[in-house]
Amino acid sequence: GAVVSQHPSRVICKSGTSVKIECRSLDFQATTMFWYRQFPKQSLMLMATSNEGSKATYEQGVEKDKFLINHASLTLSTLTVTSAHPEDSSFYICSARSLQGAETQYFGPGTRLLVL
Amino acid sequence: AQTVTQSQPEMSVQEAETVTLSCTYDTSESNYYLFWYKQPPSRQMILVIRQEAYKQQNATENRFSVNFQKAAKSFSLKISDSQLGDTAMYFCAFIGSYGGATNKLIFGTGTLLAVQP
Repeated sequence: GAVVSQHPSRVICKSGTSVKIECRSLDFQATTMFWYRQFPKQSLMLMATSNEGSKATYEQGVEKDKFLINHASLTLSTLTVTSAHPEDSSFYICSARSLQGAETQYFGPGTRLLVL
Repeated sequence: AQTVTQSQPEMSVQEAETVTLSCTYDTSESNYYLFWYKQPPSRQMILVIRQEAYKQQNATENRFSVNFQKAAKSFSLKISDSQLGDTAMYFCAFIGSYGGATNKLIFGTGTLLAVQP
């Protein structure tokens, strides 16, 4: 149990375009999902916390207009990188926290984004 | 503010041997949870083990066990009978109790473990 999927696993896009990444909890309902960014050989950096049916809470320094987050249902959250630039190239990981056992987060496999 | 410190950037162990990864943390909260996550080359974050602070008994999961010292704010991970598949980056993480002051995972900087054949 506690499986989280992400789609796509990797994406290459041109500078100036927008990219949407989906995060789904497959076998549980998630009131809260989290979006992280990870640079090579570094730890995970929390970008935002996404609560179902409400606006996301962004960490300091993360541009909410650039990284749009939608959490429309208890099993799906999306991250849209708008007007992508090469510096947005990174590994993006989502995690989900279930209604029960709320302290444990289960992670998706990540999405590698390359902006040319 | 809560912090998590992993003082060993890299470690190496021979297959079948035992290795201990260290982690210390700082918090003023009385109830919280601690985790060890594993990130192999695939980069999928995998939950290895978790510990609830109010439980004195150390958590164990097969070959993985922790030494939780609440007073010392220490949370080390012991891997017994190391296997090649244990090669990964290991992250220690902290979160406060649900609804508490720290409602997000705080990660350490990670320890890269290499299991040698």
